[in-house]
Formats: sequence, C-alpha cells, structure tokens
Amino acid sequence: AQRVTQPEKLLSVFKGAPVELKCNYSYSGSPELFWYVQYSRQRLQLLLRHISRESIKGFTADLNKGETSFHLKKPFAQEEDSAMYYCALSRMNSGGYQKVTFGTGTKLQVIP
Amino acid sequence: DAMVIQNPRYQVTQFGKPVTLSCSQTLNHNVMYWYQQKSSQAPKLLFHYYDKDFNNEADTPDNFQSRRPNTSFCFLDIRSPGLGDAAMYLCATSREGGGSGTGELFFGEGSRLTVL
Repeated sequence: AQRVTQPEKLLSVFKGAPVELKCNYSYSGSPELFWYVQYSRQRLQLLLRHISRESIKGFTADLNKGETSFHLKKPFAQEEDSAMYYCALSRMNSGGYQKVTFGTGTKLQVIP
Repeated sequence: DAMVIQNPRYQVTQFGKPVTLSCSQTLNHNVMYWYQQKSSQAPKLLFHYYDKDFNNEADTPDNFQSRRPNTSFCFLDIRSPGLGDAAMYLCATSREGGGSGTGELFFGEGSRLTVL
C-alpha cells in the first residue's frame, strides 16, 4: 500500500527565512511525487511534480529514493506563500489508472 | 477558462436525507474523481470514473454512489447521510491513457456538506 506522511501540521517562518516542508512516502514501486497547494479560498492546485525537476514560485523538491522523501524547499519565504501544502504520490494501479494518495497537509504561515 | 465546477458549494441536510453533489468540467478529461476530506485529514479517494468505467475504492461505504451520464458531468449521491459524512467533497479530473497522462489532478472548489 502507498502512504504519504507529512509530519508537520503547521510550519511558521518569518518572511525571508528558508522553508522546508517535509514529506516521506512508502511505496514499493517507482513513485511519481507531487506537491499541491491550496491558497486561502482557492481550489487545490498542482505546484510541482518531481519528474519535471522544475522550480515553481521559487519552490523546488528533490526525490530522494534512499530516504523515501520529497521535501519542498524555498530559500526565502514570501508572505504570499502562506497556504496549505499537500504532498501526493501517484501510481498506476492494476486497472491501468492513476491512483493518487495525499498526505494530511502542512499549513505554511509566513510571518511578516 | 476551462475548469472544474462543483455545485452546491455548501449543502446542509438532515440525518438520513439523501443528497446529491454535482461536478462539471470543461477540460474534456476522461477521468473524474470524488474525494472526501474531513477536517485536518488528507483527501480520501472515494471512487473514480475512467471514461464510463466506474472504480470504487474498497473502503468506500455503500452509502456513497456515483453517476457519470456524460464526459462533462459526474454526481455524488449520498443515500442516507450520517453525522460522520459531514466533510468537504472534492471533485477532480485528469487526462489519462494513450501516453498522455501526467498524473496531474484538476480540482473543483469543493462542496461542503453539513449534516444536522
């Protein structure tokens, strides 16, 4: 079974400070990992995915298969980064469909 | 803009009174999902449609049903809501198959269900 763990429910940082949102996963195959973000009063939306190896809004995330982690990082937090962040794991199930499992989310609060 | 639209945004029902939540999409995606999210918990997949094929999660109660009359619409029916069914219900879509799948989900804004 696949599982995604986000150990922190709330992370508070000062503006300009580095941010690291932790995500660990358990899955025996080759996972596809994602970070989704939900800003206040907005829908849940994709922030970035590991296969793209891209930086979005200054955020990056590296898949570490040895540690089964996919932590989200940003060197300098901005107030507009305050939001709920969900780590997600996607795998192809036996029926040929993608099944996405979400973590419980971490609320990032950037203090001015 | 192409998007996923859920109605109603807020639904109040009485214990045992059937409820239907709707989801429509203009993305022409072939997969539609229903997630249940309770406070401080992860979104939990209830079921999904891959085109017309219905796929129920093993632990989804029989109280929850779904219909997809066409590509654009999907409904979540809760036959006899209990207090424990109060939650945010999220509809999502994705494009899968034929090598075009990216795994990205596109979400609606959710329908918040209150059970009195």
